[in-house]
Amino acid sequence: AQSVTQPDIHITVSEGASLELRCNYSYGATPYLFWYVQSPGQGLQLLLKYFSGDTLVQGIKGFEAEFKRSQSSFNLRKPSVHWSDAAEYFCAVVSSGGYQKVTFGTGTKLQVIP
Amino acid sequence: DAGVTQSPTHLIKTRGQQVTLRCSPKSGHDTVSWYQQALGQGPQFIFQYYEEEERQRGNFPDRFSGHQFPNYSSELNVNALLLGDSALYLCASSFQSQETQYFGPGTRLLVL
Repeated sequence: AQSVTQPDIHITVSEGASLELRCNYSYGATPYLFWYVQSPGQGLQLLLKYFSGDTLVQGIKGFEAEFKRSQSSFNLRKPSVHWSDAAEYFCAVVSSGGYQKVTFGTGTKLQVIP
Repeated sequence: DAGVTQSPTHLIKTRGQQVTLRCSPKSGHDTVSWYQQALGQGPQFIFQYYEEEERQRGNFPDRFSGHQFPNYSSELNVNALLLGDSALYLCASSFQSQETQYFGPGTRLLVL
């Protein structure tokens, strides 16, 4: 069964600092990987996705993520964090082929301090 | 282009009652999935509807049921509500076999 681990429950960074959120997945074949962001009381917004090809993918709001098959990781990065990036971030995996059941990690809550 | 919409936004029920949540998919989408997100947790897959049929189901009891209408909108029904059913219920839509799902704002259900 597919699973996703986000080891950091809560991260605090200073505005303007760089950010990396960790995500590890478990899946037998090549997964489809996603990062979503959720602001308080809101639904989920898709930041970026990886299906195949270039392992470094660019997303919205200046975010990028790198797929590393050897480490079963799909870490999210941003070079300079803005106060508006404070939110909860979810990594997710979907089985390639078949039905699109999405398995989410438990999330990482990002706090940005001035 | 309207995104995924859900109604109501908030709901308060008491134990044992029944509730119906509604979802309209993004324009052009024909597949609807439902998720339950408990406080402090990631969303958990409940089930998915395509062509008015339940196509896949997560580990949720039969108290959770759904329906998809010919216009692709969907309902989630929960019977015999328990306190533990209190959560944010998210609807997501996609097009056929495409893996990218777009989420609505959710319905927050509180069971007292």
